Amino acid sequence: EVQLLESGGGLVQPGGSLRLSCAASRFTFSSYAMTWVRQAPGKGLEWVSAISGSGGSTFNADSVKGRFTISRDNSKNTLYLQMNNLRVEDTAVYYCARDSGGWPGDRFEFWGQGTLVTVSS
Amino acid sequence: QSALTQPPSVSGSPGQSVTISCTGTSSDVGIYNRVSWYQQSPGTAPKLLIYDVSDRPSGVPDRFSGSKSGNTASLTISGLQAEDEADYYCSSYSSSSTLVVFGGGTRLTVL
Repeated sequence: EVQLLESGGGLVQPGGSLRLSCAASRFTFSSYAMTWVRQAPGKGLEWVSAISGSGGSTFNADSVKGRFTISRDNSKNTLYLQMNNLRVEDTAVYYCARDSGGWPGDRFEFWGQGTLVTVSS
Repeated sequence: QSALTQPPSVSGSPGQSVTISCTGTSSDVGIYNRVSWYQQSPGTAPKLLIYDVSDRPSGVPDRFSGSKSGNTASLTISGLQAEDEADYYCSSYSSSSTLVVFGGGTRLTVL
């Protein structure tokens, strides 16, 4: 069974930075696009960033452009989300999800358990 | 405000059927068949229920079905069971700068 395990969440002050990781296992990581989806407390799902299987193409929501960077290390089967200049409204559970193929934008077949990011002074 | 519009809540009695709508635009639901539905129980990660408008992953009961007409997609749950009580989200590929858009979610209550 596919496994996705997020880490790196925590409490950070506004304007601060955090890097999330998502360790993947039990599938050929480089063959699949990966996506970060977040969920603010009591709110719905929001697509954040996506990256192709090769890592050569990335996509970001307007709300995080210029602040968040998605990347991956296919040799380590790990997905990352570098979050800079964090805002209170970035507070959410961040999920990593596996797309159905090598290019993002399709269904999310598998999800991690999520990691909580809290931005507060 | 979410890109796709869903009713905040629906309800039904065990054994009944309910339908949840998901209205988008000609930039997403209207022109792409990459519409998916997810089920999320409290404190857990979302689970894929329907993809490509009406296909079900293996293991998802055929009580769950999807359809689309114009800019609106729908999820129908027949033979409601207590365990179906959860939040349901639709999503669609989008030609806008946001690659994927989600609905605001619908809470299903089984009476």
